[in-house]
Amino acid sequence: EADIYQTPRYLVIGTGKKITLECSQTMGHDKMYWYQQDPGMELHLIHYSYGVNSTEKGDLSSESTVSRIRTEHFPLTLESARPSHTSQYLCASSVAGPGGEKLFFGSGTQLSVL
Amino acid sequence: DQQVKQNSPSLSVQEGRISILNCDYTNSMFDYFLWYKKYPAEGPTFLISISSIKDKNEDGRFTVFLNKSAKHLSLHIVPSQPGDSAVYFCAASIQGGSEKLVFGKGTKLTVNP
Repeated sequence: EADIYQTPRYLVIGTGKKITLECSQTMGHDKMYWYQQDPGMELHLIHYSYGVNSTEKGDLSSESTVSRIRTEHFPLTLESARPSHTSQYLCASSVAGPGGEKLFFGSGTQLSVL
Repeated sequence: DQQVKQNSPSLSVQEGRISILNCDYTNSMFDYFLWYKKYPAEGPTFLISISSIKDKNEDGRFTVFLNKSAKHLSLHIVPSQPGDSAVYFCAASIQGGSEKLVFGKGTKLTVNP
């Protein structure tokens, strides 16, 4: 089992603020992901990384940016938060298994931008 | 254009009975399917998966059935327990890569005592 840690769990912030959502994993997985999910909707991939110094944009366009300087750390940054960024942000890492990869998710950060 | 569809937003069953959650997909290239379970304010947790070379996979109370010709899969939970109450997401990918994983919108299962 992977251990994925996300902080903060909840964040309420004003428009225009810069925020960083933290994500760390302790299992040495190379591949990591950021998803965005709204209630009643599917999970949308916004960023992923194959390993150190690798970052790719996902299917859903996002104004956020990510970095991967260390294997275990994959933070997401919003330079200027807006109410439209209000959502749940889920970090994950993956490991290969029979047939395909399995994602292991953190507990998520619920972001509210006022 | 949703490639993975969970047409039932919610499902309610009695404790001890069978829960059947359905999922349809449109992309015939999908060859790996997964179910995730999500409690409120938590991240999804992996439940069970199936490769397209199989039509059934079982893990304890959970069984996933795949009908490739109908592009349909279902998750059976027997017997259902109140702790199973959660949102269940169906997901599909091509060649098992998680960066290509497509999720459905989820079905909220409520198991009543």
